[in-house]
Amino acid sequence: GEDVEQSLFLSVREGDSSVINCTYTDSSSTYLYWYKQEPGAGLQLLTYIFSNMDMKQDQRLTVLLNKKDKHLSLRIADTQTGDSAIYFCAESIVIKDMRFGAGTRLTVKP
Amino acid sequence: DTGVSQDPRHKITKRGQNVTFRCDPISEHNRLYWYRQTLGQGPEFLTYFQNEAQLEKSRLLSDRFSAERPKGSFSTLEIQRTEQGDSAMYLCASSLEVSGTGLINEQFFGPGTRLTVL
Repeated sequence: GEDVEQSLFLSVREGDSSVINCTYTDSSSTYLYWYKQEPGAGLQLLTYIFSNMDMKQDQRLTVLLNKKDKHLSLRIADTQTGDSAIYFCAESIVIKDMRFGAGTRLTVKP
Repeated sequence: DTGVSQDPRHKITKRGQNVTFRCDPISEHNRLYWYRQTLGQGPEFLTYFQNEAQLEKSRLLSDRFSAERPKGSFSTLEIQRTEQGDSAMYLCASSLEVSGTGLINEQFFGPGTRLTVL
C-alpha cells in the first residue's frame, strides 16, 4: 500500500477555506511537507512541519499535525483562484528521501 | 534564471532506444536528486548526489538507468533500452546541505522532462 495517502480532488468557492488532508504510515517520519504543483511548473515547497510540532501557521496557510493518528492537514484561508493546483503531501525520516502522496487537485471556483 | 533547469522538456522515443536527460541545479547547491512522476501520482525518489558522489539509489532504479554528476554540478540521467513503462515525468531537484544546523534543506524542483516511449 501507499505510504502517504490523500484524497484526489477538492473543489471550493473563492473566498472559502480549503482543507486538504493527508495520512501517512511511517511513525518514524521526522519531517512533513506540503508542495504545490502548477501546470508546466516544478513542485514548490509551501510549508513544512517537524514531527514534534502540532501546528504551524504561515500567512494564509495552517498546517495541523496529529502524530498519534498520523494525520496531516493543510488549511488555506480565503482561497483564491490562483490557489488552484495539485497539492502534494510528503514525509521523510531523513531529509534526503521523501515519500509523496498522489496529490490533491484543488479547484477554486469564482 | 537562477532556478533548476532541465533539458529537454519533452522527449518522445521508440521502445528500445536510449535517452539521456540533463539537469542543471542551482549553482551553489551541493545535493541533487532525481525523481520519477507518473500520471496521477506523486514523485518517487530515484537517486541523489552529494557533490559528485551518488549516495543512494532506489530499487526503482533498474540496471537500465544510470545517473552521473561528474563535476558535482550538472547531472545526467540515462535510460537504456527504453520500455513503455518508462514513460513518465522525470524531475530533478537540488538543495544546499548545511550539516549540523538542524535546518530543513529545501529541495527546489525543476520543471521536469516528460518522456513518452512509443
